[in-house]
Amino acid sequence: AQTVTQSQPEMSVQEAETVTLSCTYDTSESDYYLFWYKQPPSRQMILVIRQEAYKQQNATENRFSVNFQKAAKSFSLKISDSQLGDAAMYFCAYRSMGNDMRFGAGTRLTVKP
Amino acid sequence: DVKVTQSSRYLVKRTGEKVFLECVQDMDHENMFWYRQDPGLGLRLIYFSYDVKMKEKGDIPEGYSVSREKKERFSLILESASTNQTSMYLCASRLQGSAPQHFGDGTRLSIL
Repeated sequence: AQTVTQSQPEMSVQEAETVTLSCTYDTSESDYYLFWYKQPPSRQMILVIRQEAYKQQNATENRFSVNFQKAAKSFSLKISDSQLGDAAMYFCAYRSMGNDMRFGAGTRLTVKP
Repeated sequence: DVKVTQSSRYLVKRTGEKVFLECVQDMDHENMFWYRQDPGLGLRLIYFSYDVKMKEKGDIPEGYSVSREKKERFSLILESASTNQTSMYLCASRLQGSAPQHFGDGTRLSIL
């Protein structure tokens, strides 16, 4: 079974600074999807960014970008110009071409004013 | 916007009770999922369904069952609730293919 590892249970960043959240995964498949979800205290899981494994170009969504290293099975999330509203739990997720999705344990991000 | 609605945000039940958690989505999604979320463990898949009356076991199906009689509704059933089922339960849905999952707000279930 595929596993997703987030090695940083907690991270903090100063407002307006940049922070990188780490994620590694284990799979024997060549085609799959990777996601970062954000869960603020309101509990609603919100999709931040997604990456298709067949695409070499790293996905970017405004201040959020990923560093996808397929050979290393690494999928880190970079948040630039951090804002107070970025404080949340962040989950990395892997999904095979089937239906199942696997989540990491999460990283709690604190943004300091 | 896709709306995934879970019937309760908070629920308190007693051990041995039969508990129903309901989830409804309004976007005609084929796939629906139930997860439980526990600190340090992330989200773990309990069951999922890719069509009406279809169900597949996830990673932790023991003690749970599901029902999908209509496309928009996916119910999670705790046949005989136990204290180790105290958790946050999240429902999600998505279209077939590469579409991302959309989540409900979660139900925080306490079993006393």
